Amino acid sequence: QVQLVQSGSELRKPGASVRVSCKSSGYIFADFALNWVRQAPGQGPEWVGWINTNSGKPTYAQAFTGRFVFSLDKSASTAYLQIDSLKAEDAAIYYCARVRGGNPGYFDSWGQGTLVAVSA
Amino acid sequence: QSVVTQPPSASGTPGQRVTISCSGSSSNIGSNYVYWYQQVPGTAPKLLIFLNHQRPSGVPDRFSGSKSGTSASLAISGLRAEDEADYYCVVWDDSLNIVVFGGGTKVTVL
Repeated sequence: QVQLVQSGSELRKPGASVRVSCKSSGYIFADFALNWVRQAPGQGPEWVGWINTNSGKPTYAQAFTGRFVFSLDKSASTAYLQIDSLKAEDAAIYYCARVRGGNPGYFDSWGQGTLVAVSA
Repeated sequence: QSVVTQPPSASGTPGQRVTISCSGSSSNIGSNYVYWYQQVPGTAPKLLIFLNHQRPSGVPDRFSGSKSGTSASLAISGLRAEDEADYYCVVWDDSLNIVVFGGGTKVTVL
């Protein structure tokens, strides 16, 4: 069955970097784009962007350009989200989600989420 | 503040029907498919409705979605205790070029 398994919780200081992984299984990795979604404490989800798992081309929501970087290891069916120069407001749960049919917003499978905490 | 608006809360007693609205504009709901997600606190969102009104396998037919113009709605009939969760409408916005999540509606089963 389709599974997206994310890496564990992370605690970083402001200004540091963090990398979150999302390992896919149960389907052909290159056939479905992967999206990243952020959910701050007590808030609703917010779309960060997506990565084409065939070409590797990333697309970022405007609010997330600059410090957020998507990448892939196709051989390991794994996508990564790296956040540089962490700020307190980056503290959130980050989810990866598979997009079905190339329809933006059609997230048919989600990772369990990775908590990123930012504290001095 | 999201560009698609949901009521912050809704409630009902077991067995009742609850409807959640999602109001947008011509650049989002008016021209793109709407999706609905259920999120139980502490867990990842779960797809409830896709392509405006379709249900994934495994989602009870108590859940139904509809869209008209620049608004969409999710109805839960025969409300059950396990339906207590946050519900989000999701849609692509052609002007902002982003996937937009509604602000969410917390459903309480009284």
